[in-house]
Amino acid sequence: GQNIDQPTEMTATEGAIVQINCTYQTSGFNGLFWYQQHAGEAPTFLSYNVLDGLEEKGRFSSFLSRSKGYSYLLLKELQMKDSASYLCAVKGSNSGYALNFGKGTSLLVTP
Amino acid sequence: DTAVSQTPKYLVTQMGNDKSIKCEQNLGHDTMYWYKQDSKKFLKIMFSYNNKELIINETVPNRFSPKSPDKAHLNLHINSLELGDSAVYFCASSQDFSTNEKLFFGSGTQLSVL
Repeated sequence: GQNIDQPTEMTATEGAIVQINCTYQTSGFNGLFWYQQHAGEAPTFLSYNVLDGLEEKGRFSSFLSRSKGYSYLLLKELQMKDSASYLCAVKGSNSGYALNFGKGTSLLVTP
Repeated sequence: DTAVSQTPKYLVTQMGNDKSIKCEQNLGHDTMYWYKQDSKKFLKIMFSYNNKELIINETVPNRFSPKSPDKAHLNLHINSLELGDSAVYFCASSQDFSTNEKLFFGSGTQLSVL
């Protein structure tokens, strides 16, 4: 199967920058996704990386290094509404190309 | 219009009962999924259907039986419910299976088995 590791919890201050790391092991890598999930709600898509490098989308950026099996999600100018769980998910051939999720990082943004 | 809708949103039932969760998507997608999210928030793939054909069946007890009458619907039937089945079940869809299309999730069904 796939191993996807990310920190369980993080805390950051409103207005700051936070980086959420994700490491993975898979065969037949076919993309890495980040999803945001607020408590009691469905996950929603944030970003997708399949090539090495940084993808920027407003306050959110995602980075991928395929050789290192590593990604991070960077959140800038944190807002209280960014308090949520952030899920790293990998698509690979050893799971039939289904999207497999890590256990998520619960981010708390404090005033 | 809700893109991926699942019903019911809450389901409380006794051990041993049989229950179904329905899912419909109006996005014209070819692929649909069922995920289970446990109390620790771990989201795990259960099944995937592409154009009504089962393509992923993870290690799920055979008490769980998905049914796809057409590519817009993927229902989940659970027989002989057990305490450990308590979780939030999410339906999702994507354009197709082979490309890297993002998943659209339904709002989830919180199943509580007493």
